[in-house]
Amino acid sequence: QKEVEQNSGPLSVPEGAIASLNCTYSDRGSQSFFWYRQYSGKSPELIMFIYSNGDKEDGRFTAQLNKASQYVSLLIRDSQPSDSATYLCAVNSGAGSYQLTFGKGTKLSVIP
Amino acid sequence: DAGITQSPRHKVTETGTPVTLRCHQTENHRYMYWYRQDPGHGLRLIHYSYGVKDTDKGEVSDGYSVSRSKTEDFLLTLESATSSQTSVYFCAISEGTTSDTQYFGPGTRLTVL
Repeated sequence: QKEVEQNSGPLSVPEGAIASLNCTYSDRGSQSFFWYRQYSGKSPELIMFIYSNGDKEDGRFTAQLNKASQYVSLLIRDSQPSDSATYLCAVNSGAGSYQLTFGKGTKLSVIP
Repeated sequence: DAGITQSPRHKVTETGTPVTLRCHQTENHRYMYWYRQDPGHGLRLIHYSYGVKDTDKGEVSDGYSVSRSKTEDFLLTLESATSSQTSVYFCAISEGTTSDTQYFGPGTRLTVL
């Protein structure tokens, strides 16, 4: 069974610091990787996706993928209180499958 | 949530009653999904559809059925609701391309008493 593991947290960081969120996955054939943010009582919203090894930057967010080690991470620079949310890692195995397997999420708290 | 609506947004029902949740999209996306989200379990796929009248089971499909008679609508039915089906239900859509990005609706909070 395909598994996606995240530290449930809560992860607390001071305002302005870098928050680092990590995710590991079991299916070595996985090809697409997604980070979603979910505020309490709201639906998940896409932050970033990454397909290739290395870093991908979008504003204050950087996704990092290492397929050899089967992990993907999300860095949030200059963390703001508005970044306080649960972050979900999702993995797609490719090979014609459009299903995502989600981790249980990491709760981030940015302290003013 | 743009382009995806779910109805009802909240529902309280009794054990043993049938319940139908509706997902409506205006994006003309080929794929539609139903998930449930529970504390400690995360998002789990119930059923998905890859076209009109084309559906398949997900990880937690027991006790649920789905139908898709139009591209824009995907219905989730609980034939006889049980307390274990109390959850938040999310609909998602995707184009079905190599990008595979799924976009979520606002969710339906269902309570089965």
